[in-house]
Amino acid sequence: EIVLTQSPDFQSVTPKGKVTITCRASQTVGTSLHWFQQKPDRSPKLLVKYASQSFSGVPSRFSGSGSETDFTLTIDSLEAEDAATYFCHQTSSLPYTFGQGTKLEIK
Amino acid sequence: EVQLVESGGNLVEPGRSLRLSCTVSGFTLSDYTLSWVRQAPGKGLEWIGFIRNRAFGGTTEYAASLKGRFVISRDDSKNIAYLQMKSLKIEDTALYSCTRFPDWGQGTLVTVSS
Repeated sequence: EIVLTQSPDFQSVTPKGKVTITCRASQTVGTSLHWFQQKPDRSPKLLVKYASQSFSGVPSRFSGSGSETDFTLTIDSLEAEDAATYFCHQTSSLPYTFGQGTKLEIK
Repeated sequence: EVQLVESGGNLVEPGRSLRLSCTVSGFTLSDYTLSWVRQAPGKGLEWIGFIRNRAFGGTTEYAASLKGRFVISRDDSKNIAYLQMKSLKIEDTALYSCTRFPDWGQGTLVTVSS
């Protein structure tokens, strides 16, 4: 099973700031790594698919990069509405797995 | 508009069975792979398994730890997918969601307790 480890677990950032969340895979996943945003009592929303591909309707301040085992989600010009939990998800090999999540607080 | 709506969650005693449903709209279920995922209180997401689309035979895959107790199926005529769970354990308590990448349902809560 591929283990996805995110860092940090929690981050507090001021509006208009920038945050970088990393996701490290225990084995290569190629680029089959996706980033989701989840707010309390809401279903997850896709932000970035296949490591770096933007998804329709997602603001351009969200971007992803990386391949193989190391991936990054960057959020520029943070807004209050970006307060949420972010998680990575690999669909390279079974069983599919998820990162433990990174909770982002906007001060 | 794509929608996935889970139902069937309930409070059940350990050892009992329960079947969850995922009713989809906005797409044809048989054309897509559909997964079930769960999240226990205060825990991370756990992939349960999926059922492939018709073109790939509608076969299923499961997390090793759940194989044998959990079964995924679907009724193409009704556009509904199912998650049949048996021999439920306290640690199966979680919010269960169905997902067709990248869309998710809101989930249905299963509580296993005596």
